[in-house]
Amino acid sequence: DAGVIQSPRHEVTEMGQEVTLRCKPISGHDYLFWYRQTMMRGLELLIYFNNNVPIDDSGMPEDRFSAKMPNASFSTLKIQPSEPRDSAVYLCASSLAGGIYGYTFGSGTRLTVV
Amino acid sequence: QKEVEQDPGPLSVPEGAIVSLNCTYSNSAFQYFMWYRQYSRKGPELLMYTYSSGNKEDGRFTAQVDKSSKYISLFIRDSQPSDSATYLCAMSAGGKLTFGQGTILTVHP
Repeated sequence: DAGVIQSPRHEVTEMGQEVTLRCKPISGHDYLFWYRQTMMRGLELLIYFNNNVPIDDSGMPEDRFSAKMPNASFSTLKIQPSEPRDSAVYLCASSLAGGIYGYTFGSGTRLTVV
Repeated sequence: QKEVEQDPGPLSVPEGAIVSLNCTYSNSAFQYFMWYRQYSRKGPELLMYTYSSGNKEDGRFTAQVDKSSKYISLFIRDSQPSDSATYLCAMSAGGKLTFGQGTILTVHP
């Protein structure tokens, strides 16, 4: 398996634009997590899905953020409109049985909003 | 108070040194304990996993858990420049992991 695949690796956009980040989890994994990572705040859980259903989105900072998982092999995180304070690394992870056995992370998308 | 506390460092050691990384936690419900390593511009990768108090060894790495004190440690023996990375502790209760802030480690030749 190729692991968790995220795209794009880097994204530079202007304030106010819509940004869509993509994630392909490991085949067979039933949990998918979206994290935001910054130097100041570390890893912050934004939302996670179990069997394609959103379970906890309490970490989504505000209504500008939305996430979907239309099927077991694809998820998106959308920011509309983007703001400079959204600049961060966005990491996607997948796992079996929640966090019991740990997660497998993708390489992340480095987002810069100017 | 955060559920998981980890000294962010940075920590700089000479090659060959023994490194000790530590986390404390407050949630007694945590049952599974992990250490992740994250190289620059990469996602975190699982390094060590344990679910009971005591020590677990894997090569140069030893993970230690003390549930009574709510304290976990990662020891790296004979540290190498290739060990330079950010190390994150993580703990699980139910369906998700809670991460520490991460400790930046640099091993210089």
